[in-house]
Amino acid sequence: GAVVSQHPSWVICKSGTSVKIECRSLDFQATTMFWYRQFPKQSLMLMATSNEGSKATYEQGVEKDKFLINHASLTLSTLTVTSAHPEDSSFYICSAGGPTSGGRTGELFFGEGSRLTVL
Amino acid sequence: GDSVTQMEGPVTLSEEAFLTINCTYTATGYPSLFWYVQYPGEGLQLLLKATKADDKGSNKGFEATYRKETTSFHLEKGSVQVSDSAVYFCALNQGGKLIFGQGTELSVKP
Repeated sequence: GAVVSQHPSWVICKSGTSVKIECRSLDFQATTMFWYRQFPKQSLMLMATSNEGSKATYEQGVEKDKFLINHASLTLSTLTVTSAHPEDSSFYICSAGGPTSGGRTGELFFGEGSRLTVL
Repeated sequence: GDSVTQMEGPVTLSEEAFLTINCTYTATGYPSLFWYVQYPGEGLQLLLKATKADDKGSNKGFEATYRKETTSFHLEKGSVQVSDSAVYFCALNQGGKLIFGQGTELSVKP
């Protein structure tokens, strides 16, 4: 299947700093990627849809100035958590549709996830 | 809006027991349905999928049938193993975005 890779897999930062998480589709081009957030023992919450070459579409309740998303190329989307605070600590997961799925069947391939801890 | 509801966990079973994790959905139209699995400390992996009514998805001994009449997609396995311990998520496709259920934690004891 298609491969999606995230980096870093875990990061610890001080409160007030910004953290960037990268999501790459390694063997296919992804015009659309999705960013999810997962709290401990809870489901995945869709944060935003990242569109290559245009602005991201944020879900209701997600602060776009807090969670900056950039999709500069067909294989890379980045999520930047700006001025991070302890409540931003979470597991962030990106996903993208594979080359023969995506819009047709909705199947998504997921990155390994990035665990952010804000001290 | 579209939604997915799963049975609450955690579910604890002995090895070789029969597993059922219930999943029902609410959606307009006939979305594709999925089961994803998340092993401890890892991201999500697609377990199986079904794209239309009466389709049966299967993988690694797990099965789920897309039931339009009951809007369900229950996950089953005849004989679970310790290595099946994970969190299982039911999901549907809403315009290319996945809507997830709350997840069901499965713990299999030897």
